[in-house]
Amino acid sequence: SQTIHQWPATLVQPVGSPLSLECTVEGTSNPNLYWYRQAAGRGLQLLFYSVGIGQISSEVPQNLSASRPQDRQFILSSKKLLLSDSGFYLCAWSRTDDNEKLFFGSGTQLSVL
Amino acid sequence: RKEVEQDPGPFNVPEGATVAFNCTYSNSASQSFFWYRQDCRKEPKLLMSVYSSGNEDGRFTAQLNRASQYISLLIRDSKLSDSATYLCVVNMDSNYQLIWGAGTKLIIKP
Repeated sequence: SQTIHQWPATLVQPVGSPLSLECTVEGTSNPNLYWYRQAAGRGLQLLFYSVGIGQISSEVPQNLSASRPQDRQFILSSKKLLLSDSGFYLCAWSRTDDNEKLFFGSGTQLSVL
Repeated sequence: RKEVEQDPGPFNVPEGATVAFNCTYSNSASQSFFWYRQDCRKEPKLLMSVYSSGNEDGRFTAQLNRASQYISLLIRDSKLSDSATYLCVVNMDSNYQLIWGAGTKLIIKP
């Protein structure tokens, strides 16, 4: 069966510090991968998605970036965090032939202080 | 107008009751619809897809009203474990962009 791992679960970082969140998927090949952010009282916002190694699409302008160095690894990064980057970050995967059904990692609660 | 709107609640419902809530969407060309369930500080999990003909899964029934542009979720014989936030999701085109509602919080009380 497929599993998705995301870490860390919680993170407190000072403004201006770098960020690296990692997500890996097991039990499937060539998944679509996604990074979402969920702010309090708002719907999930798609930040990045990837259909293959090295292929990253960004949905919103921001100071975050994403990379997919391996088929089942997806990394969210920032060189300098802003206060507004605080939120609940979720990694997800879907099958390439069914990109409407998402399976999420357990999320990272990021607090930028 | 938001693309996908939900009543944030909370809906406080006694155990065993039936509860229903709606989700409206703005784009009449929307193609696919889903309900996800999210427990506090956890990841969303797919609850059910919403088909044009309606969809029933045990105590849960989802329906689509294209004319009025909303989907609904009905929960019968509610359990304490049904307490969660229910997220409405709409696919407005086929290009990976799912639009998420902010969720309706449901609290089932003993």
